[in-house]
Amino acid sequence: QSALIQPPSVAGSPGQSITISCRGSSSSYNAVSWFQQHPGEAPKLLIYEVTKRPSAVSDRFSGSRSGDTASLAISGLQAEDEAFYYCSLHTGGGTVFGGGTSLTVL
Amino acid sequence: QVQLVESGGRVVQPGGSLRLSCEASGFNFRSYGMHWVRQALGKGPEWLTFIRSDGNEKYYADAVKGRFTVSRDNSRSTVFLQLNRLRTEDTAMYYCTSGVMDVWGNGTAVRVSA
Repeated sequence: QSALIQPPSVAGSPGQSITISCRGSSSSYNAVSWFQQHPGEAPKLLIYEVTKRPSAVSDRFSGSRSGDTASLAISGLQAEDEAFYYCSLHTGGGTVFGGGTSLTVL
Repeated sequence: QVQLVESGGRVVQPGGSLRLSCEASGFNFRSYGMHWVRQALGKGPEWLTFIRSDGNEKYYADAVKGRFTVSRDNSRSTVFLQLNRLRTEDTAMYYCTSGVMDVWGNGTAVRVSA
């Protein structure tokens, strides 16, 4: 299973927009997901199948992909967005997670 | 409400075995494939295994293939993970999650230590 590469950290100010990349998410598979995780909690699904958002997730979160790089965009940054973010790729034989990105809201 | 509850985690010696359970409620369990994912302290999630809704297809990560076995009992809305030949590096929080991983339990802690 191939590795998914994420930047270790990103930062932004309240109200700003940021993007987190995930390289290695082959366009052969449409099952790219993004998760948010606060300390001490289970991961929470934000995006699945590259661009789909569960109904309970804020529309400030959006997903996209270009080539082998998927991206998670967060608009209108809020303090509660400070967390770890992980991408994942589901293939026919399993699932792999990225190394994670720590988002700091300044 | 939709819920997954894991249980069975404890301290176990290297080489030992454990059986984890994950009981589902609030949704049609028998229609969904189920995953097990673990997370060591300070690390990211690590996918372990997936079992299809009917239990007839299973996939495993290389790190646990041959040591861990997933199964399910749809009549009890429960998925299991049998952990054998445990190693210290298996110490982690173990989560079950459903389908596209939109529902997660709170996890059950496994510690492998002499």
